[in-house]
Amino acid sequence: DIQMTQSPSSLSASVGDRVTITCRASQSISSYLNWYQQKPGKAPKLLIYAASSLQSGVPSRFSGSGSGTDFTLTISSLQPEDFATYYCQQSYSTPPTFGQGTRLEIK
Amino acid sequence: EVQLVESGGGLVQPGGSLRLSCAASGFTFSSYSMNWVRQAPGKGLEWVSYISSSSSTIYYADSVKGRFTISRDNAKNSLYLQMNSLRAEDTAVYYCAPGYSSSSDWFDPWGQGTLVTVSS
Repeated sequence: DIQMTQSPSSLSASVGDRVTITCRASQSISSYLNWYQQKPGKAPKLLIYAASSLQSGVPSRFSGSGSGTDFTLTISSLQPEDFATYYCQQSYSTPPTFGQGTRLEIK
Repeated sequence: EVQLVESGGGLVQPGGSLRLSCAASGFTFSSYSMNWVRQAPGKGLEWVSYISSSSSTIYYADSVKGRFTISRDNAKNSLYLQMNSLRAEDTAVYYCAPGYSSSSDWFDPWGQGTLVTVSS
C-alpha cells in the first residue's frame, strides 16, 4: 500500500496568514493526489483534485501543487471558516489511502 | 442537488452483523462507481470498499476482506454494506461517496455518515 504522510500534524495560525500543508507519498503517484477539508462533526469536503485542480465552489485562496511524491496545499489568506482538519489522499493505486490529517487551529 | 443519505448504523455486539444503506439522489446513480469510507472516533479516514457502476468490479480493504460485502441496487439508487463478524476496531462513522473511477478518481460528494459502534 502507498503510505501518505502529512506535515505538520497540527498547525496554529492567525486569520490572514498564508499556510502551507505538505503531503508526501511513499512512492511516485504522478498527480493522483486529492485534498479534503473536514470540520468537526461534518463529512469531508473535496477541495483540490488531481494535485492542482480547484473543485467547483471552492474559494480561490486554496491551491494545490506538486507531482511525483511531494505535494502542497496552500491557503493564501486564512479565513475564520478555514480552521478545520485537512487530509490528502492518493488515487494512484488500490487501496486509495489518506494522510493522517493536519489540524489547523486558531492562534 | 446531489444527496447521499446513509442509514443502518447503531450499537452491535462483537461478532454481530449490521447492514448499512446509502440512498442517492440528484445524479445518475447507475453511472457512478461508489465507495464506503470510515472514520474511527477521533481518527483519520480509511477507505473500506469500492463497487463499479455495474457491480462488475469490487475491492475491499484488507482490514474488512472476508467480513464485509458491498452491493448496490441501481433500480433503487442505493448502495449497501453488509458487515459481519464485527470487531471493536470497526467502530466508526461510515460514509458513502461516489468516485475512484477513471473519470473522477476522487471522492465527491460525501454523505453525512452513519455511526457504527461495536461494543458489549
